[in-house]
Amino acid sequence: GAGVSQSPSNKVTEKGKDVELRCDPISGHTALYWYRQSLGQGLEFLIYFQGNSAPDKSGLPSDRFSAERTGGSVSTLTIQRTQQEDSAVYLCASSVEGPPAWDEQFFGPGTRLTVL
Amino acid sequence: AQTVTQSQPEMSVQEAETVTLSCTYDTSESDYYLFWYKQPPSRQMILVIRQEAYKQQNATENRFSVNFQKAAKSFSLKISDSQLGDAAMYFCAYRRSGYALNFGKGTSLLVTP
Repeated sequence: GAGVSQSPSNKVTEKGKDVELRCDPISGHTALYWYRQSLGQGLEFLIYFQGNSAPDKSGLPSDRFSAERTGGSVSTLTIQRTQQEDSAVYLCASSVEGPPAWDEQFFGPGTRLTVL
Repeated sequence: AQTVTQSQPEMSVQEAETVTLSCTYDTSESDYYLFWYKQPPSRQMILVIRQEAYKQQNATENRFSVNFQKAAKSFSLKISDSQLGDAAMYFCAYRRSGYALNFGKGTSLLVTP
């Protein structure tokens, strides 16, 4: 069966440009998460979608970051006016439902973003 | 906010030996879950083992086991009979219901022949 997929795998952009990162969760998974992994750091939570509930955006680092999830499936993370500190690997994960917190989150392979 | 601390940036173990990775966390909650994830160079995060805080019995998954000390807020991972394929970054993570995972900064495990 298909796992979580993300595109593009790698993205190089110039400072000031906007970028869109895509995540296709596992079919039937109602919860979707975005994390950011900077060099030498752990994963930092960005945003969490759960079913039809309002998303938890508490991890977004600035108003340049936004995300949407269409039809309860595909999600797009948008970074406007990119800065060099946005360079990182962006990971998406999905799970059957959350809560309960027991549910395993399945991760995609990530998008490596490089801002020149 | 909950914090997760992994005090060992790097660890090394010989094949077939046992290694223990440390993790401590800070929380005021009584109901939560703890996880260990493995991230090989492919970047793919893989769940290794998980523990429910209300369970006193330590979780085990084949060669992987945990030592969960709730009062001490400690959650270490023991890998027995280490294999070359165990080489990876290992992340400890905390989660409570309704929230996303909160990760430590990771421990890089090197396995030598």
